[in-house]
Amino acid sequence: DAGITQSPRHKVTETGTPVTLRCHQTENHRYMYWYRQDPGHGLRLIHYSYGVKDTDKGEVSDGYSVSRSKTEDFLLTLESATSSQTSVYFCAISSSSYEQYFGPGTRLTVT
Amino acid sequence: AQSVTQLGSHVSVSEGALVLLRCNYSSSVPPYLFWYVQYPNQGLQLLLKYTTGATLVKGINGFEAEFKKSETSFHLTKPSAHMSDAAEYFCAVSGDNTDKLIFGTGTRLQVFP
Repeated sequence: DAGITQSPRHKVTETGTPVTLRCHQTENHRYMYWYRQDPGHGLRLIHYSYGVKDTDKGEVSDGYSVSRSKTEDFLLTLESATSSQTSVYFCAISSSSYEQYFGPGTRLTVT
Repeated sequence: AQSVTQLGSHVSVSEGALVLLRCNYSSSVPPYLFWYVQYPNQGLQLLLKYTTGATLVKGINGFEAEFKKSETSFHLTKPSAHMSDAAEYFCAVSGDNTDKLIFGTGTRLQVFP
């Protein structure tokens, strides 16, 4: 298994609070991704990174920001959480062969 | 723009029966195609992939898929279903931007004894 961890694995937070999710890899892969998974929508890309301090938006980036100060860490921040951001969040990594390897996910509930 | 359509959000089969999960794609460039499997409360695991070369691709757990350019399809099959195959399956196509994948909405496979 690819060395990817996500923390926390579960989180409940209140509307309006900031939340940061962490993705950590031990594979030294260049590319990292954040997705959200919702019933009926499959996986939708939030943001991705193609190197340290190099990030770009995905299809559902509104309300989210990311940072990557080290190769191994990719942080996803919800500046002010809303109920519509209740979801399961997955991190993925990739070298340059297109295939992506996924972390175990973080289940976020915004009340 | 690239897109993926998975026909059937739920598929049910009996143990020992053929599994067929359908995936059609749209791509403006030669696609790379993937099938992932997700077991309950887990992340996605790569089942198989097509990049170039042989159009029939074999993956883990006895699954295979065939790339048919004329039909823009990449259907996933397994000759004989096992109870442990019950999971959600996602088809994905490479985006026109390097290293981005476009996922289908998933097909949940149920296997009955």
